[in-house]
Parts: sequence; C-alpha cells; structure tokens
Amino acid sequence: NAGVTQTPKFQVLKTGQSMTLQCAQDMNHEYMSWYRQDPGMGLRLIHYSVGAGITDQGEVPNGYNVSRSTTEDFPLRLLSAAPSQTSVYFCASSRTGSEQYFGPGTRLTVT
Amino acid sequence: AQTVTQSQPEMSVQEAETVTLSCTYDTSESDYYLFWYKQPPSRQMILVIRQEAYKQQNATENRFSVNFQKAAKSFSLKISDSQLGDAAMYFCAYRISRGNTPLVFGKGTRLSVIA
Repeated sequence: NAGVTQTPKFQVLKTGQSMTLQCAQDMNHEYMSWYRQDPGMGLRLIHYSVGAGITDQGEVPNGYNVSRSTTEDFPLRLLSAAPSQTSVYFCASSRTGSEQYFGPGTRLTVT
Repeated sequence: AQTVTQSQPEMSVQEAETVTLSCTYDTSESDYYLFWYKQPPSRQMILVIRQEAYKQQNATENRFSVNFQKAAKSFSLKISDSQLGDAAMYFCAYRISRGNTPLVFGKGTRLSVIA
C-alpha cells in the first residue's frame, strides 16, 4: 500500500494564480480531509469528505474548493491564490471514527 | 464545539529522562477517541498512541504511555527514557467515535531533547 500520497511536495504561486493539490489513498477509506498548518496554529481543517460525492466545510474553507468523485481521490483547488494561503497542506484519510493517516504534505508559497 | 488545549507550547527533557506533555479537551460526548501524533522535522505526521474513551486502562506503546482521566477530560502523554529522535512537535487530537466526524487538534507542543 502506498497509503496517502500528495503532489506536489513544493509549489510556488503568484498571487491570483489557481492550482490543484492532489491527494490519493489506496486504503479504501471513506473519510478524507484537508488541513493547513501554520506556525503556532496547529492543524486547521479546510474541507472534508465522508464518501464519494459528499463534501463539507471545515474551520477555514474560504478560498478553497474540493470535490470527491471517487473514493480514492480528494483534490484541493485554490481558486485565486493569496499570500495568506502560504502554508503547509496535509491530506488525511481514515475509516469511520479511527485515527487518520496523513500524506507527506505540500509546502505552498504564494508571492 | 469540541476543543483541545495543549498548554505547553515548548518543553525540553534530558536524554534518558522522562517528560509528560499535557492535553485537555472539552466535549459533551461520552464515546470518543484520543490520539497523540508526532511531527518530526521531516513534517510527516506519525501516530504515537490512541485511547478509546470507553477503556479505563491507559494505553501504552513501548516508551510512550498516557494518563487518561475521563472525568477531568485530561489526556497527558508520558515519554520515558527520552531519546534524541523523540524531538518533534506533538499534537493531541480528539475524535467522536460514531460516524465520520473531523479530528480536532490542539496547537501542539514542541519537545526538545538535550543530549
């Protein structure tokens, strides 16, 4: 099993550009989520999904879009990048109620 | 809403000594899970230990153990015989056990290990 994979590992964007962070898992987990990690703030939930076709907002959803067309994939779209979106992004997946498995993270810089 | 509080932003411990990281949480649920995650400089989030709220026995994983006090809503992590490789950010997290609900994280404690 590859577990949870994320691409890219690093990305630099200019303000106003859009991009998609990819996340995939091969463990057949229903639950997937996206977090951002900023210094002193811990991990904050952006969006999550409890199954294909079902998504919901987390604590900090503004400026981000998600969709879940398959169980395996859960991409995160930045619609118009802003410097405030400079962060490290983590994707995670899990079975119902259990611990989450995390991807390696994507470091995004918006200039 | 559930919250998780880690009151120690930074801690340090001498190699081979024992250190305890604190975590408290707020919930009205009776059935839930608690977790400790480790994040070394590599940035990878690694599960250290988990505790089911219905279990009275404290979870243990090798040198890592927890002190789970359900009534006090406290979930501390004890690291025994600390090693240089234990230096990392440690996050306490909470999750309701029914349904697919989000994991709620504390802000983390940075642990330094002094040789």
